[in-house]
Amino acid sequence: VQLQESGPGLVKPSETLSLNCSVSGASISGYYWSWIRQSPGKGLEWIGYIHYSGTTNYNPSLKNRVTIAVDTSRSQFSLRLKSVNASDTAVYYCASWYVQAGTFDYWGQGALITVSS
Amino acid sequence: DIQMTQSPSSLSASVGDRVTISCRPSQTISNFLNWYRQKQGRAPQLLIYSVSKLQSGVPSRFSGNGSGIDFTLTISGLQPEDFATYFCQQSYTTPTFGQGTRVDVK
Repeated sequence: VQLQESGPGLVKPSETLSLNCSVSGASISGYYWSWIRQSPGKGLEWIGYIHYSGTTNYNPSLKNRVTIAVDTSRSQFSLRLKSVNASDTAVYYCASWYVQAGTFDYWGQGALITVSS
Repeated sequence: DIQMTQSPSSLSASVGDRVTISCRPSQTISNFLNWYRQKQGRAPQLLIYSVSKLQSGVPSRFSGNGSGIDFTLTISGLQPEDFATYFCQQSYTTPTFGQGTRVDVK
């Protein structure tokens, strides 16, 4: 299973961060897919997950600003984080979420997103 | 949120050493405890899930133990590729991670 993040590396404060994750080597259907970010200040932080059916679950601390969506026809899922500020600067990872064990089994390589004007 | 506290934050070791890392959640998490290794510049890699179960393909020098609010990861016979940062993660509630333990060369 391979995952690959894509999207702009620089986002202006107050704007919306958008990332896509392309999945290969496995069907996007039948699994859960997640976003996680990592920054020096906050460490690893789970953002949320989506089931191929569209069911989502978000970190309460980000819930008001986050939307995760899935496009099964393209084998992709996406992250939108609105009203960003400097504290949202991080490496963003997409990952598979194995719900039975609560593990992140496969990860993308990560995308560094910087919030700056 | 459940806070995950790892100790030590860093340690120095040599190839062949036995290394133990501790992880303590702020409340009981049953057996919903997982461990990851993150090499410099790479994504984390799942090593152990459900406290002590080895992920497929992970060498047997890695082992996990514990219960309640006291968990450990042990590496028996440190290899060059094991100089990295290790994270614990709970999935009892909203997933959270420890702050990491960096293992570097003595």
